Amino acid sequence: EPEVTQTPSHQVTQMGQEVILRCVPISNHLYFYWYRQILGQKVEFLVSFYNNEISEKSEIFDDQFSVERPDGSNFTLKIRSTKLEDSAMYFCASTLSYNSPLHFGNGTRLTVT
Amino acid sequence: RKEVEQDPGPFNVPEGATVAFNCTYSNSASQSFFWYRQDCRKEPKLLMSVYSSGNEDGRFTAQLNRASQYISLLIRDSKLSDSATYLCVVTNNNAGNMLTFGGGTRLMVKP
Repeated sequence: EPEVTQTPSHQVTQMGQEVILRCVPISNHLYFYWYRQILGQKVEFLVSFYNNEISEKSEIFDDQFSVERPDGSNFTLKIRSTKLEDSAMYFCASTLSYNSPLHFGNGTRLTVT
Repeated sequence: RKEVEQDPGPFNVPEGATVAFNCTYSNSASQSFFWYRQDCRKEPKLLMSVYSSGNEDGRFTAQLNRASQYISLLIRDSKLSDSATYLCVVTNNNAGNMLTFGGGTRLMVKP
């Protein structure tokens, strides 16, 4: 079964540094998402992306965050200047059609020290 | 009021038991409903979609009551492998298909 893959599985960075989290969505999917889950808390929506532009974003997704689909396969989340509170598990997801269930990647654990 | 509310549990049940989880949502514009399962420190995985008429998938039965804005999940004949956190998820398809997650209900099935 096709999978959403994310790299790295764990990223440790110092406060103020830039990080890029990478995702390869399922190849024929058209809608892409980033979610995050702080340890012990619920999964939270960050951003959705379709047709090479952001369709929706949450309050969490401020100017420090950006997304990009640099080629036909990768979907990246960049955090420009990380803060301690950015420490979380970041999940990428994709779906083929608008109202279909999302398929999640196995996540990147980001630790900001 | 939380957008999607669930009893966090944990629900501790013996193998073979039947267990039910409930979920309420606040946004009456919600259009799609799902149950996801999440194992510790893993990604959410779709368990089943929830339809207005109710639907069943093996030992799992999901129900939706739009009038009461209430979703349920019933697990029959619990297995040890059912131990996980069950996430109630709703979407407003007019808002970019954004999933709104409940906090999850933790289930522990004991031998």
